[in-house]
Amino acid sequence: DAKTTQPPSMDCAEGRAANLPCNHSTISGNEYVYWYRQIHSQGPQYIIHGLKNNETNEMASLIITEDRKSSTLILPHATLRDTAVYYCIVRVITSNTGKLIFGQGTTLQVKP
Amino acid sequence: GAVVSQHPSWVICKSGTSVKIECRSLDFQATTMFWYRQFPKQSLMLMATSNEGSKATYEQGVEKDKFLINHASLTLSTLTVTSAHPEDSSFYICSARDRPRSGNTIYFGEGSWLTVV
Repeated sequence: DAKTTQPPSMDCAEGRAANLPCNHSTISGNEYVYWYRQIHSQGPQYIIHGLKNNETNEMASLIITEDRKSSTLILPHATLRDTAVYYCIVRVITSNTGKLIFGQGTTLQVKP
Repeated sequence: GAVVSQHPSWVICKSGTSVKIECRSLDFQATTMFWYRQFPKQSLMLMATSNEGSKATYEQGVEKDKFLINHASLTLSTLTVTSAHPEDSSFYICSARDRPRSGNTIYFGEGSWLTVV
């Protein structure tokens, strides 16, 4: 699976949009981009995933560049509860594997 | 999203004893489950991939005789830490793949804290 690069930390003001970048320049055509977050002392929470089109759900939006070498996770109105470590992972979906390999992620601190 | 449950949430055991952690997919069938461990201030490290009805596949450097994984049914996988030592103290997290319903999305349990004294 391709590796990803994320900034180690970011701050965001409460109520503002949080834009978390991720570089995955070696992504393959059959690899999806997944985003998870981990709030302290809990298991990771699935946020969103996409292949090449932009995606939106009730939690966030995922913007993938046309060349698929980078993406941005957008939390439209960050709250204090969004403070967490956010992981961007690229993953091949196959019938037998598709495991998730975690990098160091981005620690997002939402401030009042 | 799908629900994955782990039990126990935390456990303290004596050095040299074995401890079992259960991982259940509550509302879906999981043909594949994954086990991770996480030390404080570090990222998750994949230990093994567990396929229902077959032997688990361990990542390089993970001792298969120490971390016994059983995936006997489509909703349950167990991790047994054998002859536990203080260095095995960690946060253990399982995850399961919800293949039929949500495009192979993987969901995680709440995690289990193991402290070996």
